[in-house]
Amino acid sequence: KAGVTQTPRYLIKTRGQQVTLSCSPISGHRSVSWYQQTPGQGLQFLFEYFSETQRNKGNFPGRFSGRQFSNSRSEMNVSTLELGDSALYLCASSPGGGLSYNEQFFGPGTRLTVL
Amino acid sequence: QQQVKQSPQSLIVQKGGISIINCAYENTAFDYFPWYQQFPGKGPALLIAIRPDVSEKKEGRFTISFNKSAKQFSLHIMDSQPGDSATYFCAASGSSARQLTFGSGTQLTVLP
Repeated sequence: KAGVTQTPRYLIKTRGQQVTLSCSPISGHRSVSWYQQTPGQGLQFLFEYFSETQRNKGNFPGRFSGRQFSNSRSEMNVSTLELGDSALYLCASSPGGGLSYNEQFFGPGTRLTVL
Repeated sequence: QQQVKQSPQSLIVQKGGISIINCAYENTAFDYFPWYQQFPGKGPALLIAIRPDVSEKKEGRFTISFNKSAKQFSLHIMDSQPGDSATYFCAASGSSARQLTFGSGTQLTVLP
């Protein structure tokens, strides 16, 4: 099976702009979660989508949003970018059911730099 | 109560030695404890995971030891190799959510 794919891999934006990141989960996986990774804060949970519904949300401002499509692909959007949003954004794919319901497999991430 | 505390921050081991990384949690609702390995420029890769109904799980050179009463778990890497040099993260989640709470990471260096 192909792994989790994320596009684009690298992105440079300026403050105030918005950005959309894309994630394609492992085939057959119905859950997609997003995480932010920074040197200072480590890996932090943003939100999880399952069957096109947001199931959980981390402690991030409303500028961070996401959605999931019927084919399980997911996008996350960050509006009004701030310098502190510079980070590696990771998407994780999970079967969402069965014995492995909460195993999560990560993509390579999108490196976002805000100037 | 959501924290997962990981130690040490960095670890240097000789080739063939045993690497041990420890984690402690507070939230008793956690019931899934994975370990991830991350190389520079890559996403974290799931190494091994354990649930509280067992005290130990072994996969190849990697072993998780779990102490439910102490709310601690650890990763042991036997016969450590230079290729194991990476950052290791412990994590935890509850049965009702796939939200992973991560430790702060351990940078492992295995000297040849």
